[in-house]
Formats: sequence, C-alpha cells, structure tokens
Amino acid sequence: QKEVEQDPGPLSVPEGAIVSLNCTYSNSAFQYFMWYRQYSRKGPELLMYTYSSGNKEDGRFTAQVDKSSKYISLFIRDSQPSDSATYLCAMSSRSGAGSYQLTFGKGTKLSVIP
Amino acid sequence: KAGVTQTPRYLIKTRGQQVTLSCSPISGHRSVSWYQQTPGQGLQFLFEYFSETQRNKGNFPGRFSGRQFSNSRSEMNVSTLELGDSALYLCASSPGTSGIYNEQFFGPGTRLTVL
Repeated sequence: QKEVEQDPGPLSVPEGAIVSLNCTYSNSAFQYFMWYRQYSRKGPELLMYTYSSGNKEDGRFTAQVDKSSKYISLFIRDSQPSDSATYLCAMSSRSGAGSYQLTFGKGTKLSVIP
Repeated sequence: KAGVTQTPRYLIKTRGQQVTLSCSPISGHRSVSWYQQTPGQGLQFLFEYFSETQRNKGNFPGRFSGRQFSNSRSEMNVSTLELGDSALYLCASSPGTSGIYNEQFFGPGTRLTVL
C-alpha cells in the first residue's frame, strides 16, 4: 500500500462547477498537508497548506483535513478554465535529520470545460 | 525575487552515459531538494541538501548523487543512465530552517530522455 493514494482521474467538469479532489494516507506521522497545482511543462506551485484537522479557505479554494480518517480534500468553487491543471496532494513529516520530507500523491488531472 | 532556476530544461542522453543537472535556489534559501517525476510513480523524493551537506535521502540507487556549493546552488548527477531514468527532474528550494515546516518552491524542471 502506497503511503499516499490519489485518484489520477482525469476529471472533466463544466465551467462554474464545484470540484472535489481527494487523497488518503496511511502514515500517522504526517503533520503538514499541502495541495500543489502543476500546469503542463511547469513545476508544481503551492496552493495551500495546513497542519490541523478542519477547513482552511483561500478565495475559491478550500482545503479540508480529517486526521482521524486520514483523508484530505481540496474543493474548488466556481471552477474556471484556468484551473485546468494537475493537482497534487503532498504530506510532510519530520525526518530524523530535522528537515521535512514531502510525500506526494500521483496527482489528479483536471480539465474545466468552458 | 527570482524563482528557482534549473538548467538545462531538456536533455537527451543514451543508456550508459552520465548526466549532471543544475539548480539555483531562490536567493537566501539554504535548502535544496531534488525530486523525480514520472507518469508511473509520480513525484518521488531523491535527496535534500542543506549548507553543503546531504540532510535527507530517498530510496534511490547510488547512481543518483548530488552536491551543494557554498552559494547554495546544487547539482545532481546520474551515472550509467538506464531507460527508466527518463523523467522530469525537479528541484525545490526552501529557507531550510531546521525543525519547522518550510514551504518548498519548485523550479520548472529538467526533462531527461534516455534513449
């Protein structure tokens, strides 16, 4: 079983729809939870990160973490064609060396159709 | 502030050759991490360098190595290339403060194709 599981999609939605992206994880040591967005031929860019269970909102984006179920979600409201990208969940735990190593899901490819 | 830069952006090599990729972190960042991204395995952590020392290492064979210079620039090297090494290699920089979470900023990556 992989430490982080993410449905690869692809996911296709009409413009204006609410998008829900999800990841599950198995490692209880994960402390920080992130969502990255990656456009084609670009590096990932951080959308949101959180370290506690509950919801965190930033504009049209809401990140949700449920540590008891080991489940995280990203919701995108009023989706736009510019949101078309691959969305990667990532989780971080402290290594023995004191740094934080990221473990990624495989990414979900999202297309928002005008 | 300039972002993370990686050179070259594209590279084609043949099996058995070796390759060196370069990464310049954001000014002031002391930590550089390297990742391999493939369609089958996704993004996988290779190693992290901080103040010229490898601080963390993923599960990759010894053919993958790296180093960091005093100006925080980093290079990674892959020796005896295999077809399966074809991937997007991403570099990420962060302030690197020990013990707390530091946001990682990614470069655009180097696309390596092994023929």
